[in-house]
Amino acid sequence: NAGVTQTPKFRILKIGQSMTLQCAQDMNHNYMYWYRQDPGMGLKLIYYSVGAGITDKGEVPNGYNVSRSTTEDFPLRLELAAPSQTSVYFCASSYPGGGTEAFFGQGTRLTVV
Amino acid sequence: DAKTTQPPSMDCAEGRAANLPCNHSTISGNEYVYWYRQIHSQGPQYIIHGLKNNETNEMASLIITEDRKSSTLILPHATLRDTAVYYCIVRPKLGGGADGLTFGKGTHLIIQP
Repeated sequence: NAGVTQTPKFRILKIGQSMTLQCAQDMNHNYMYWYRQDPGMGLKLIYYSVGAGITDKGEVPNGYNVSRSTTEDFPLRLELAAPSQTSVYFCASSYPGGGTEAFFGQGTRLTVV
Repeated sequence: DAKTTQPPSMDCAEGRAANLPCNHSTISGNEYVYWYRQIHSQGPQYIIHGLKNNETNEMASLIITEDRKSSTLILPHATLRDTAVYYCIVRPKLGGGADGLTFGKGTHLIIQP
């Protein structure tokens, strides 16, 4: 049982490049989330999904896209990377309902230069 | 519009109980209180949650005041590995959780040897 797995762990992008951050969970969770965390700050929600085929915007969605074709996978796409997207990205998953815990991956540290 | 208020930092001696306060004066009747912690930029880790009653698990105890406007997370015998940022979060009970967890800046707990 691996939990939530994120790849890659580190990446350096040049301005204008694109990339996909991968996230997979093996707990059969309906809900999945993408957060970003800037230095010294709390996590901010980028996008979330309540099930395969359903996604919605969080607090800071601009510059990102997501898809959810399966229950297990929730990739985050960065188009035209900008220095403002330098951050640590966390993926999480949970069962539905407010009385359940969320499980987080170990993060992807992205630097845009 | 912060839902919770926490002190930015606290110190605690190793082996002593660490008591982390959280104010959530606008909490509604259908919202849980959650605690997560983040150790040195790793993914956040669930600690405990509660609705009305005090809760205890292998990691910590959660004391919620009778009016539910504040709570305290207690780490009974703090170790150096408990040094982390601790987040207090409120989250809806029914049908909630789809829009993720709202993280503030949390409390940076430093355990002193």
